[in-house]
Amino acid sequence: QQQVKQSPQSLIVQKGGISIINCAYENTAFDYFPWYQQFPGKGPALLIAIRPDVSEKKEGRFTISFNKSAKQFSLHIMDSQPGDSATYFCAAHPTNKLIFGTGTLLAVQP
Amino acid sequence: NAGVTQTPKFQVLKTGQSMTLQCAQDMNHNSMYWYRQDPGMGLRLIYYSASEGTTDKGEVPNGYNVSRLNKREFSLRLESAAPSQTSVYFCASSDRNSGNTIYFGEGSWLTVV
Repeated sequence: QQQVKQSPQSLIVQKGGISIINCAYENTAFDYFPWYQQFPGKGPALLIAIRPDVSEKKEGRFTISFNKSAKQFSLHIMDSQPGDSATYFCAAHPTNKLIFGTGTLLAVQP
Repeated sequence: NAGVTQTPKFQVLKTGQSMTLQCAQDMNHNSMYWYRQDPGMGLRLIYYSASEGTTDKGEVPNGYNVSRLNKREFSLRLESAAPSQTSVYFCASSDRNSGNTIYFGEGSWLTVV
């Protein structure tokens, strides 16, 4: 069974702090690692993604760090804002589909 | 541009009833998916269709059937609903031209009593 393990299940961060969510995968054939953001009552939407040929990708306040040898990747949200409060899913891409982690509920307190 | 549209938004079923969730995308994507979302379980793939005319099982296909009616539409059918199928269902689509990005609909909340 292909799996993506995500932690923590929930996270509370103060405004301006750094939010860090971690994921680990098993299958070295995965070739694409996105993070999705989901607000209540909405479908998930792509936030940022990385391919295994790079170790880091940054888009604004959001950074993915990727460790191919450890088969781990993480999402860092710098200067976290209350508007970042949402559920975050990591995912990995085998052929023709995405396998998702179990999600992290992030609450950023003002 | 509507993206991925799924209906109905909310539905209550009695155990044993059948129903079909409808999904359509207007992005000319080849691949379409049905996921279910449950607390603590994340998004689990039920079925997917890599291209028009093909369908494949995902992680949790039992109790469901799908039809890829044409390139735009991908429906999910519950033949005999069970309380364990109470969930939020998401339809999604993607294409190699979109860089493997999966675009989701807004979800269908299904309760089986």
